[in-house]
Amino acid sequence: AQSVTQPDIHITVSEGASLELRCNYSYGATPYLFWYVQSPGQGLQLLLKYFSGDTLVQGIKGFEAEFKRSQSSFNLRKPSVHWSDAAEYFCAVGSGGYQKVTFGTGTKLQVIP
Amino acid sequence: DAGVIQSPRHEVTEMGQEVTLRCKPISGHNSLFWYRQTMMRGLELLIYFNNNVPIDDSGMPEDRFSAKMPNASFSTLKIQPSEPRDSAVYFCASSQGQGGEKLFFGSGTQLSVL
Repeated sequence: AQSVTQPDIHITVSEGASLELRCNYSYGATPYLFWYVQSPGQGLQLLLKYFSGDTLVQGIKGFEAEFKRSQSSFNLRKPSVHWSDAAEYFCAVGSGGYQKVTFGTGTKLQVIP
Repeated sequence: DAGVIQSPRHEVTEMGQEVTLRCKPISGHNSLFWYRQTMMRGLELLIYFNNNVPIDDSGMPEDRFSAKMPNASFSTLKIQPSEPRDSAVYFCASSQGQGGEKLFFGSGTQLSVL
């Protein structure tokens, strides 16, 4: 069965600092990988996705992620964090013809001045 | 587009009562997903539909839970009877195509069962 592990429950970074959120997946074939963001009281919004091709994918709001098959990882990065990036971030993996999407437990990002 | 619309936004009920959550997907989307979010278990996929047909309901926790999609613009998730452990945020999401290439989430229904 597919699964996603986000080892960091909570991360605090200073505004302007770089950010990397970790994600490891478990899936037997080539996975479909996603990062979503959730602001308080809201549903999730897609940041970026990887299906195939270039292993470095660009997303919205200046985020990028790199697929590393050898490490079963899909870490999310941003070079300079803004206070508005404070939210919860979810990594997800999709599988099957009908794209059953399984989410990780999330990483809550706090941004300090 | 108004996005995925869920109602009610908040629901407080007593144990044993029937609860019905509603979802209107984005027009033109033919896949619909129901998720439950709790602190302990995170986001869990309960059931998903494609072209109004349930594809996978293996995530539905118990027979007390049922979901329907009578047409392309409406779905319900029903809990009967409700229990305190059902308290959670329930999200509906929709997408184009066969599945979850890009999920569009509603704002969720916060359910509290007393």
